[in-house]
Amino acid sequence: EIVLTQSPATLSLSPGERATLSCRASQSVSSSLAWYQQKPGQAPRLLIFDASKRATGIPARFSGSGSGTDFTLTISSLEPEDSAFYHCQQRNSWPLLTFGGGTKVEIK
Amino acid sequence: QVQLVQSGAEVKKTGASVKVSCKTSGYTFTNFGIHWVRQAPGQGLEWMGWIRGYNGNTHYAPSLQGRVIMTTDTSTSTAYMELGSLRSDDTAVYYCARDRSGDVDWADPWGEGTMVTVSS
Repeated sequence: EIVLTQSPATLSLSPGERATLSCRASQSVSSSLAWYQQKPGQAPRLLIFDASKRATGIPARFSGSGSGTDFTLTISSLEPEDSAFYHCQQRNSWPLLTFGGGTKVEIK
Repeated sequence: QVQLVQSGAEVKKTGASVKVSCKTSGYTFTNFGIHWVRQAPGQGLEWMGWIRGYNGNTHYAPSLQGRVIMTTDTSTSTAYMELGSLRSDDTAVYYCARDRSGDVDWADPWGEGTMVTVSS
């Protein structure tokens, strides 16, 4: 099973700052990685797929990069509504998909 | 627009079974697969499995093999997830989500979730 490790566990930043979230895979997943945003009490929402492609309706301040084992989700300028949990997921090992443990982004 | 509407919260006894439904609309059901994902209280997401819309082929997470059954009813565009031999650590919110584009893709969009509570 491919294990995804997300860091940091919690990120506390001010509006307008840049957020950098990491997702590291225990073995290569090529570019088969996605990022989801989940606000409290809500279902997750797809942000980024195939490592760097923005899903429909996702603001341009969200971007993804990386390949192989190291991936990054960047929020270029934080907005108050970006306060949420962010989860990475891989599907390179289909039909067994795995998620990372999540990163909580807090807006000061 | 695409919608996935899930059944309501359930409270079950240890050892019982639960069946959660996911009624879809706004797209051709047989053209897409459905993922099931769960989230225990305060925990991360756990992928449970996937079912193909047009022929019901399934893939289950090894940790749930033997306890989970995913089915579809194409006449009502509804997917079902049944989990048996319930334990307390099955207490979670259960989500269904459609394949983003066609067959075997990322999960998007998602249903609202169904809370399942297991107690003795």
